[in-house]
Amino acid sequence: DAKTTQPNSMESNEEEPVHLPCNHSTISGTDYIHWYRQLPSQGPEYVIHGLTSNVNNRMASLAIAEDRKSSTLILHRATLRDAAVYYCILRGGGSNYKLTFGKGTLLTVNP
Amino acid sequence: DSGVTQTPKHLITATGQRVTLRCSPRSGDLSVYWYQQSLDQGLQFLIQYYNGEERAKGNILERFSAQQFPDLHSELNLSSLELGDSALYFCASSVGSLNTEAFFGQGTRLTVV
Repeated sequence: DAKTTQPNSMESNEEEPVHLPCNHSTISGTDYIHWYRQLPSQGPEYVIHGLTSNVNNRMASLAIAEDRKSSTLILHRATLRDAAVYYCILRGGGSNYKLTFGKGTLLTVNP
Repeated sequence: DSGVTQTPKHLITATGQRVTLRCSPRSGDLSVYWYQQSLDQGLQFLIQYYNGEERAKGNILERFSAQQFPDLHSELNLSSLELGDSALYFCASSVGSLNTEAFFGQGTRLTVV
């Protein structure tokens, strides 16, 4: 599986934007970039995914570098509820569609 | 609510015993994935089934086995349990393509005493 690299932790203030980076220099042409988050004591939750173009949804935006070797998850206005571990995952390679989680980034949101 | 149902929510059992964890995927989802999450290991992929067939295997011990039934629900069987098997076990389901999201259940917390 292609590997991703994320900072161990980041801190933000409430109502400010948050940019969570992810490096994936060994990404293949068919790998989708998925982001999930896990709130305390809950199962992982889908956030957003993309292939080549930037994506927006009600939760976040995903900015993908032109060479696809990095991406950034953008939370436009962080709330206390956004405090979680955020995982950047490359999904691809054959037909098993599995998600391989790394250590993720622990996001702390300060009031 | 993700639509993925896992039972039981909590399970306490003794070493050497065998337990079965159950997962009902979202309606229409053909793929089921099992993950183990312990404090020191993070989320570890165990196994995946697609429409009844095993599709991918991860770090699953030989003492563990799983299956997916014709109605698409899945069971994870853990036998000869050891203290180190204590963890949260998550099930996820998806339609079965790279371009869709996976939905996770709330997990089963297994405690082996």
